Amino acid sequence: QSVLTQPPSMSGAPGQRVTISCAGTTSNIGAGYDVHWYHQLPGTAPKLLIYATNNRPSGVPDRFSGSKSGASASLAISGLQPEDEADYYCQSYDRSLGVWVFGGGTKLTVL
Amino acid sequence: EVQLLESGGGLVQPGGSLRLSCAASGFSFSTYVLTWVRQAPGKGLEWVASISGNSGIKHYADSVKGRCTISRDNSKNTLYLQMTTLRVEDTAVYYCARVMGSFSYYFDVWGRGTLVSVSS
Repeated sequence: QSVLTQPPSMSGAPGQRVTISCAGTTSNIGAGYDVHWYHQLPGTAPKLLIYATNNRPSGVPDRFSGSKSGASASLAISGLQPEDEADYYCQSYDRSLGVWVFGGGTKLTVL
Repeated sequence: EVQLLESGGGLVQPGGSLRLSCAASGFSFSTYVLTWVRQAPGKGLEWVASISGNSGIKHYADSVKGRCTISRDNSKNTLYLQMTTLRVEDTAVYYCARVMGSFSYYFDVWGRGTLVSVSS
């Protein structure tokens, strides 16, 4: 049971926009801690996608954007492309547990 | 180029020990907090342990506390994870990662991972 809750799977057609949610609590996202997003292609290591809620590392296209409201956060992917098919994880800090926490991951399928 | 490369994984029996290494290059190693994150087969990511640049601050997940020790050798640009009393549930790919940020921290560079299999 992950501290941050994500939908296990989502899908979308090429060109569409999808939004992946990440629900937290008042001990993590709701306490003001930023949310960060990673994607993981099959058989590879996770890669930073969004940091501090809505900042993209160099090289990440602006099709990817993040937002946060209250104790929840979202990752939006617009103009879906076949290479976006991957697992996506949100991450934050939980002050009650005193640890960094991840969401359970969302498997995105591009139809 | 900033790189992290793990090694030391393998097959070990329950109750056994293993030491993982993570060789770093391309950045000022001693100035960064580093961390280990693991991923069990078919499962999500789990933070394991972290260590400050001068090794003065170490944190562990409850799942490994007392059984794992994180350390680093800044002269060798290498991070370690000594794992003892291994359990079947420790089976996972172990990634090392560089920690960035302030107040809210994230992992900006990851290694390729090393697989630890605990089985009799």
